[in-house]
Amino acid sequence: GESVGLHLPTLSVQEGDNSIINCAYSNSASDYFIWYKQESGKGPQFIIDIRSNMDKRQGQRVTVLLNKTVKHLSLQIAATQPGDSAVYFCAENRIYNQGGKLIFGQGTELSVKP
Amino acid sequence: NAGVTQTPKFQVLKTGQSMTLQCAQDMNHNSMYWYRQDPGMGLRLIYYSASEGTTDKGEVPNGYNVSRLNKREFSLRLESAAPSQTSVYFCASSRDSNNSPLHFGNGTRLTVT
Repeated sequence: GESVGLHLPTLSVQEGDNSIINCAYSNSASDYFIWYKQESGKGPQFIIDIRSNMDKRQGQRVTVLLNKTVKHLSLQIAATQPGDSAVYFCAENRIYNQGGKLIFGQGTELSVKP
Repeated sequence: NAGVTQTPKFQVLKTGQSMTLQCAQDMNHNSMYWYRQDPGMGLRLIYYSASEGTTDKGEVPNGYNVSRLNKREFSLRLESAAPSQTSVYFCASSRDSNNSPLHFGNGTRLTVT
């Protein structure tokens, strides 16, 4: 069936290193993708988004890459800091008759070691 | 701007009790959503309201009802709570229902005993 999933449930990195969090999706009609960060006890927080007509988008210390050929999305965090420790979710906007619905993956927990 | 505000933050119910979760946004967004989050299941859409006056079912609507009271407020009601509805509930809003990022509240942690 269709799914949005993450390759790794947990990721541990050293402070200062770069982090890469991956996400696979199976619906080729999805036209919009978002990465969220969720800290303990809080709601998901928007990080960056990308539309399907792009393959790369950069923000402050974050880059999202979209490979539509293999239906793969990644989030790169440069110079990872302890404050980046959180669960990261990818989400795809799936197209239905009445419009789009945002479907979330299960999340990857990022742990930053000082 | 407070963003998306949810009340209450915590709630314990007995099986069969009813309650309403409240949500309000001050960003003048057209679309609002209710998700539940369970360990290992990610965020699942319960109901959404693409615009004021409309509501539609999401992935897991059974056991819930919603009301889009006005543009700002979107409530979620459990008529007869069940232990399977123990979860963290998140309300979210977006500018519109297509290709707009969702802004989330901080959640309501509900336990049904």
